[in-house]
Amino acid sequence: DAKTTQPTSMDCAEGRAANLPCNHSTISGNEYVYWYRQIHSQGPQYIIHGLKNNETNEMASLIITEDRKSSTLILPHATLRDTAVYYCIVRLFSMNYGGSQGNLIFGKGTKLSVKP
Amino acid sequence: KAGVTQTPRYLIKTRGQQVTLSCSPISGHRSVSWYQQTPGQGLQFLFEYFSETQRNKGNFPGRFSGRQFSNSRSEMNVSTLELGDSALYLCASSLEQGASGANVLTFGAGSRLTVL
Repeated sequence: DAKTTQPTSMDCAEGRAANLPCNHSTISGNEYVYWYRQIHSQGPQYIIHGLKNNETNEMASLIITEDRKSSTLILPHATLRDTAVYYCIVRLFSMNYGGSQGNLIFGKGTKLSVKP
Repeated sequence: KAGVTQTPRYLIKTRGQQVTLSCSPISGHRSVSWYQQTPGQGLQFLFEYFSETQRNKGNFPGRFSGRQFSNSRSEMNVSTLELGDSALYLCASSLEQGASGANVLTFGAGSRLTVL
């Protein structure tokens, strides 16, 4: 699986957009980009995923560059409750296991601190 | 709907003992994965089960084992506990997406094991 590189930490002012970058320069054509976050002492929470196109849901937007070597997670209006460690993961979609890929490889992630 | 339930939430054991942790996945989810989280190593994949079969295993010693029952509930066992086994053990379940796209994990709150 391709590896990812994320900044160790970032700060964001409450109410502003938080833009979290992720580099995945060795990503292959059939690997998805996933984002999860982990609020202190809780289990990781799924945020969003994408393959080629930009994606948006109620939580965030995911912008993937055309060459797919990097992506940005955007939290449009960060709140104090968005303070967490954000993980960017690339994972192969394989039909060998019916599409399920339970063994995600988590890196160190980015610790996002939203400040009032 | 109910989320992923892990029991017990907290437990304390002594070196040499063994421990069993339980995970009840979201209803309808057939895949269950286990992860270990420590401050030093971060989140590390232990194993994944689907339809009572282990189909992926991480790089952990044989003291770590697991199983899945016909109702998709899963247990993991750690024998001959060591101090370094102190960690947050997270269970995640997922719904097989097949050819429809990438899969998403839903994590439980974890079982925090302290080995003295």
